[in-house]
Amino acid sequence: EAGVAQSPRYKIIEKRQSVAFWCNPISGHATLYWYQQILGQGPKLLIQFQNNGVVDDSQLPKDRFSAERLKGVDSTLKIQPAKLEDSAVYLCASSRWATNTDTQYFGPGTRLTVL
Amino acid sequence: AQTVTQSQPEMSVQEAETVTLSCTYDTSESDYYLFWYKQPPSRQMILVIRQEAYKQQNATENRFSVNFQKAAKSFSLKISDSQLGDAAMYFCAYRRLGQGAQKLVFGQGTRLTINP
Repeated sequence: EAGVAQSPRYKIIEKRQSVAFWCNPISGHATLYWYQQILGQGPKLLIQFQNNGVVDDSQLPKDRFSAERLKGVDSTLKIQPAKLEDSAVYLCASSRWATNTDTQYFGPGTRLTVL
Repeated sequence: AQTVTQSQPEMSVQEAETVTLSCTYDTSESDYYLFWYKQPPSRQMILVIRQEAYKQQNATENRFSVNFQKAAKSFSLKISDSQLGDAAMYFCAYRRLGQGAQKLVFGQGTRLTINP
């Protein structure tokens, strides 16, 4: 079974530019999560999708961050415009269902550097 | 809001010895899950072990076991017979029960070094 795929693995941009990250969850997983992991900290949830609907986006900075999950499979996270403090690793995770016993499987992450 | 605290930014242990990583959490919920995740350098995060709060018995997975003290809100991870491949960042995480409440709340992490 293929794992969670993310691209690109690394991205360097200048502040005020825009950037997009892509995630392909494990086949058949209905729930998809985007986490932000700032250096030296644990991951923090940005947004959670159940199929193509948003379950939780309470910690997503909506003035600059957006995410979508068309057709309930792949997802894209966008930042526009980027700030220096957005430098972090962006982790995508998926689980089969949004149940309490489900394990979240993480992708390798995209490391973003904003200069 | 729930919080998770890992007070040991770094730990080291000799190969084949035992090490314990600490984690405390704060919640007003009575039912929840606790997890330990491992994040090797430049590799993806994987689940090490999970504990359901309603279970009194401590979870074990091969060389990994937990000491869950619900009243003290403490959840430590013990790694026995440490191996070089155990070197990684370890994150303690909390997840409350309930529909649509599957987000993980992570601690700051503990970097574990294994000395040969």
